[in-house]
Amino acid sequence: GAGVSQSPSNKVTEKGKDVELRCDPISGHTALYWYRQSLGQGLEFLIYFQGNSAPDKSGLPSDRFSAERTGGSVSTLTIQRTQQEDSAVYLCASSPRPYMSGRALGTDTQYFGPGTRLTVL
Amino acid sequence: QKEVEQNSGPLSVPEGAIASLNCTYSDRVSQSFFWYRQYSGKSPELIMSIYSNGDKEDGRFTAQLNKASQYVSLLIRDSQPSDSATYLCAVKDTGRRALTFGSGTRLQVQP
Repeated sequence: GAGVSQSPSNKVTEKGKDVELRCDPISGHTALYWYRQSLGQGLEFLIYFQGNSAPDKSGLPSDRFSAERTGGSVSTLTIQRTQQEDSAVYLCASSPRPYMSGRALGTDTQYFGPGTRLTVL
Repeated sequence: QKEVEQNSGPLSVPEGAIASLNCTYSDRVSQSFFWYRQYSGKSPELIMSIYSNGDKEDGRFTAQLNKASQYVSLLIRDSQPSDSATYLCAVKDTGRRALTFGSGTRLQVQP
């Protein structure tokens, strides 16, 4: 079946502009995550959605970053007034169901999309 | 303070050898551990997950977990040039939904 898809694959923008990045998770997956990866670095958590619950926004680096998930499926990450330090690869992941406290499940495996490479000039 | 530590490498091994990749984590309540492989310019791909102390084998890959020492490793037997990639260690605990990643170890398998 289809994996996680993201668009655009590449985005070049000027400092101060707003950008929107899209993620389409695997069908049936209820959990959706956004991460970003700067050059040569590991992945940095940004935000997590699970069903209709309030999102976990604890990883968002500033109030310029926001995300929505409509209808429990597609998600959009918006960065307002972009800065050069926002340049990174933005990765979306989905998983079948949330991690259940106290249980070690294989279904908390996260499947990653191809990412959007954002360059802020 | 970094929560998940990995040696950045590069770790260079000859073809056919065993590659040993190591990861330490700081949070004692961590319960789920993952190894992802990431080729240059590509997204991470799950290799192994491990939840209990001991070894878990899958083909040429073996994950080892020691919760007392807060240590998880990945062994790759009969290393192939196609195994050359960055290997990311990721940890998940009961208090967070997301994974905490190390910065990755770059593996080079020399033909």
